[in-house]
Amino acid sequence: ILNVEQSPQSLHVQEGDSTNFTCSFPSSNFYALHWYRWETAKSPEALFVMTLNGDEKKKGRISATLNTKEGYSYLYIKGSQPEDSATYLCAFIGSSNTGKLIFGQGTTLQVKP
Amino acid sequence: KAGVTQTPRYLIKTRGQQVTLSCSPISGHRSVSWYQQTPGQGLQFLFEYFSETQRNKGNFPGRFSGRQFSNSRSEMNVSTLELGDSALYLCASSGGDRAYEQYFGPGTRLTVT
Repeated sequence: ILNVEQSPQSLHVQEGDSTNFTCSFPSSNFYALHWYRWETAKSPEALFVMTLNGDEKKKGRISATLNTKEGYSYLYIKGSQPEDSATYLCAFIGSSNTGKLIFGQGTTLQVKP
Repeated sequence: KAGVTQTPRYLIKTRGQQVTLSCSPISGHRSVSWYQQTPGQGLQFLFEYFSETQRNKGNFPGRFSGRQFSNSRSEMNVSTLELGDSALYLCASSGGDRAYEQYFGPGTRLTVT
């Protein structure tokens, strides 16, 4: 059974703090890793898709890194804002020809003004 | 381009009944995947349909079934509902060669009483 783990489960930070979360996944049969942001009452929104070992992606104040050999990815948020409050999900993909994503439990971030 | 739509958004059913949920993918997308989220659980993969054929299946009992129509719209059916089927059901669509780049709908919240 494939296991994707995220830590921490939840995080409370002050506005302006920088923060990071971890996603651990099986290092074998890896094809890609997805990061999603999910705000309450909305659809999960894709942040990044990462496929290559050493990949680094950036979108505004949010960035992510990927290490496929050891099976982990980090998501960083620089200078957190209240609008960053959401659940951040990572999803493991084992094949190019599949719509089957294996999700972690998510990290819920609360940013206090 | 219109996003992924799901109907209905909310549903209340009684134990033992059956239910059908509908998902309309983004225009041009041929893959539709379904996920279940229950309290305390991450998103669990149910199944994926591509060109009217089930391409992947998760670890759910046979009471959960789905289908896809020629216009790529998909339905999932749950028969003989149990209390534990109360959940948020999300569908996601993807197009082209990268079936893992999924765009999610807002979900259907099913409550079984």
